[in-house]
Amino acid sequence: EIVLTQSPGTLSLSPGERATLSCRASQSVSSSYLAWYQQKPGQAPRLLIYGASSRATGIPDRFSGSGSGTDFTLTISRLEPEDFAVYYCQQYGSSPPRFTFGPGTKVDIK
Amino acid sequence: EVQLVESGGGLIQPGGSLRLSCAASGFTVSSNYMSWVRQAPGKGLEWVSVIYSGGSTYYADSVKGRFTISRDNSKNTLYLQMNSLRAEDTAVYYCARGKYDILTGYYTHTFDYWGQGTLVTVSS
Repeated sequence: EIVLTQSPGTLSLSPGERATLSCRASQSVSSSYLAWYQQKPGQAPRLLIYGASSRATGIPDRFSGSGSGTDFTLTISRLEPEDFAVYYCQQYGSSPPRFTFGPGTKVDIK
Repeated sequence: EVQLVESGGGLIQPGGSLRLSCAASGFTVSSNYMSWVRQAPGKGLEWVSVIYSGGSTYYADSVKGRFTISRDNSKNTLYLQMNSLRAEDTAVYYCARGKYDILTGYYTHTFDYWGQGTLVTVSS
């Protein structure tokens, strides 16, 4: 079973700063099946990135994803006030099908 | 417009049963893969179950044998039958649609639309 680890647990930044979030898998993950979600308090998660680097519909280009193998990164180039939230990575594994989420990184206002 | 609306949550005693519903609009449930994902209070996301367009179903180990995912094509609705509920099943339950990538023609095994969630509290 693949375990996802996210770091840091909390990232304290100011609007306009760059945010770099890490997601590490316990074993190699197909880039095709690595995603990132944003969740704000009281709201459902929102898909940001799929296939490790493809932005979902309507996602601003300040969000970008990269990585392969066991190390993946979500970068927010310039934080907007609405970007302060919790971010989760998620991977899919087959045989049998399993969807695994990381524990999340909270981006809060410094 | 794609919408998912969950219902059926509430307070239930340990050992009890509950059925959650997720009414979909703007797309056809049976043509997509659909999942339930839960979130315990103050915790992260945990995948619960998936049903594929062909009808295959899979479950997280934590709920296998106790939960059953199904759908009613005539009502375009997804269900989660939860039996033998435990305190650790307390969570907000979300239904979510699997994302299909039109450009590649493949399912991405991610979730592009989510409902607002329904709270299940298991307590005596």
